[in-house]
Amino acid sequence: DARVTQTPRHKVTEMGQEVTMRCQPILGHNTVFWYRQTMMQGLELLAYFRNRAPLDDSGMPKDRFSAEMPDATLATLKIQPSEPRDSAVYFCASGLAKQGRTEAFFGQGTRLTVV
Amino acid sequence: SQQGEEDPQALSIQEGENATMNCSYKTSINNLQWYRQNSGRGLVHLILIRSNEREKHSGRLRVTLDTSKKSSSLLITASRAADTASYFCATDSFGTSGTYKYIFGTGTRLKVLA
Repeated sequence: DARVTQTPRHKVTEMGQEVTMRCQPILGHNTVFWYRQTMMQGLELLAYFRNRAPLDDSGMPKDRFSAEMPDATLATLKIQPSEPRDSAVYFCASGLAKQGRTEAFFGQGTRLTVV
Repeated sequence: SQQGEEDPQALSIQEGENATMNCSYKTSINNLQWYRQNSGRGLVHLILIRSNEREKHSGRLRVTLDTSKKSSSLLITASRAADTASYFCATDSFGTSGTYKYIFGTGTRLKVLA
């Protein structure tokens, strides 16, 4: 049963600490997305990768956020330093883009609380 | 700002009734998708409709797309309590590099009363 796996599921950290969220996309998928969900802003696209290359990270605060794909089986989203306003659920999704069609498969999310 | 806006924001119906949710978007798209999210969970893909399609069915789901009005609707027929969830539309469009990205709407919270 192929699925996107995110770790950790929950993270509570103090302001100023570094946070790293990990995502294992579905094997064979060539696109990975990072989204952030809050009550106020809804689902926001932070960044996405195609074949491990970053294509668009315009939705991500560059001063503290960074996203990478060190290999095809791992995507990471890092926040350093974290702030209370970063508290949200962070979703990773993967998909296979072909012929203009795709669907994104979402992980269960990482619920981040920064105190 | 987000691409899509769903309405209504919240909908409460009785089991067995039909539920209709609407999505409006701002720019040209290639595809539009609908997702469901149960409380505290990730999003589950429901259905994809291409920009050259006007209607699509999947089980109890019916999706329409009107590209001239930049809007789509999701109809759930004979609703069940298990359909209680938030429903999101997501639009994708190709960027200048020939890639696509998904932008989600604000969601409709559906509650089906048994």
